Amino acid sequence: GAVVSQHPSRVICKSGTSVKIECRSLDFQATTMFWYRQFPKQSLMLMATSNEGSKATYEQGVEKDKFLINHASLTLSTLTVTSAHPEDSSFYICSVRGSTGELFFGEGSRLTVL
Amino acid sequence: KQEVTQIPAALSVPEGENLVLNCSFTDSAIYNLQWFRQDPGKGLTSLLLIQSSQREQTSGRLNASLDKSSGRSTLYIAASQPGDSATYLCAAPSTDSWGKLQFGAGTQVVVTP
Repeated sequence: GAVVSQHPSRVICKSGTSVKIECRSLDFQATTMFWYRQFPKQSLMLMATSNEGSKATYEQGVEKDKFLINHASLTLSTLTVTSAHPEDSSFYICSVRGSTGELFFGEGSRLTVL
Repeated sequence: KQEVTQIPAALSVPEGENLVLNCSFTDSAIYNLQWFRQDPGKGLTSLLLIQSSQREQTSGRLNASLDKSSGRSTLYIAASQPGDSATYLCAAPSTDSWGKLQFGAGTQVVVTP
């Protein structure tokens, strides 16, 4: 299966600053990556689908200007939370779909906005 | 729209007992279903992927069955161990958006020594 790495695993920032989270597919060329968000005690909610070389597809209700996604290569997608506020504090997880259709996830990034 | 439900929400069993985790989905026109494990504060680990043509899939002590007609999948964990304590999530493809997975809320499992 695909190996997916996320960085950083934890980040604390002040309100109003921007934070970038990286998602790397280490052994699989991924034309598509998925970004999820998970609140405590809740399941995962898909935020957007990252497409290599083109614009990301955002789910309904997700602000594309707030959550900037860049998928510049087949192994790297980044999610930037711009002008972060405390309500953006969450667990962000990326995933890659392997050749069999199986979904593989990164370790997740815990964002805390003070 | 695909909806995925997991019952029970939480489960506590003594070590050695078998675990039965249930997942139901509303739209049976799925091409696969996947089970994951999530430890606290961690990402998801893929456990089993069942293709729509399969009725079950096995990996070690884990066995997952799929009944598309009834909209159900069951994850069995034999001879549970304390290390099996985690949250287990099932996910089925969204039938109104290709490539999108719909997740259940998960079953939180505690295996006591």
